[in-house]
Amino acid sequence: KQEVTQIPAALSVPEGENLVLNCSFTDSAIYNLQWFRQDPGKGLTSLLLIQSSQREQTSGRLNASLDKSSGRSTLYIAASQPGDSATYLCAVTSGGGADGLTFGKGTHLIIQP
Amino acid sequence: GAVVSQHPSWVICKSGTSVKIECRSLDFQATTMFWYRQFPKQSLMLMATSNEGSKATYEQGVEKDKFLINHASLTLSTLTVTSAHPEDSSFYICSARTPGLAGGFYEQFFGPGTRLTVL
Repeated sequence: KQEVTQIPAALSVPEGENLVLNCSFTDSAIYNLQWFRQDPGKGLTSLLLIQSSQREQTSGRLNASLDKSSGRSTLYIAASQPGDSATYLCAVTSGGGADGLTFGKGTHLIIQP
Repeated sequence: GAVVSQHPSWVICKSGTSVKIECRSLDFQATTMFWYRQFPKQSLMLMATSNEGSKATYEQGVEKDKFLINHASLTLSTLTVTSAHPEDSSFYICSARTPGLAGGFYEQFFGPGTRLTVL
């Protein structure tokens, strides 16, 4: 059964720093990997989706990489801002895209002004 | 991206009553929808896979007689929590799956979630 682990569980950094969030998964036979943001009491905001054949995706200050063979992904946030404070979730799906997502427990990020 | 709505966004009910949550794909047809739940300070857990015109597939540990799922059309799936109890209080989120915008890849789009509180 697929398991997704996110490290660190929580992170607090001053504004302006670059930071890296880590995600690992136990079964490398994934269809895609997705990073989400969740604000307290809110739903999910999709940040980046990486297909299994891709190595990375970029959107603005965010860059996500995928190393499927080692079961790892990283989310890089450049020049962090207080508005980036949220919980970041990593999720994978398998079964050719037919399966639901398996989520990690998330990294709770606080950017200090 | 595609839009998925959920209704209601929050609901408070008494123990023993049933609650229905709707999930709609607004601008695409979804043969498959998924239901997740999230307990406080926990991550999202897949509850069931809803396929249009057929019975839902439930994850291990999820009671199919308690969480009734109906996917009667390509744009609507409903989750009914029957005889709700306080331990069912949770955040319920649905997603709808559609082929991706390019390359034919599948992608899931999430609704905003429904917060259920059972007194």
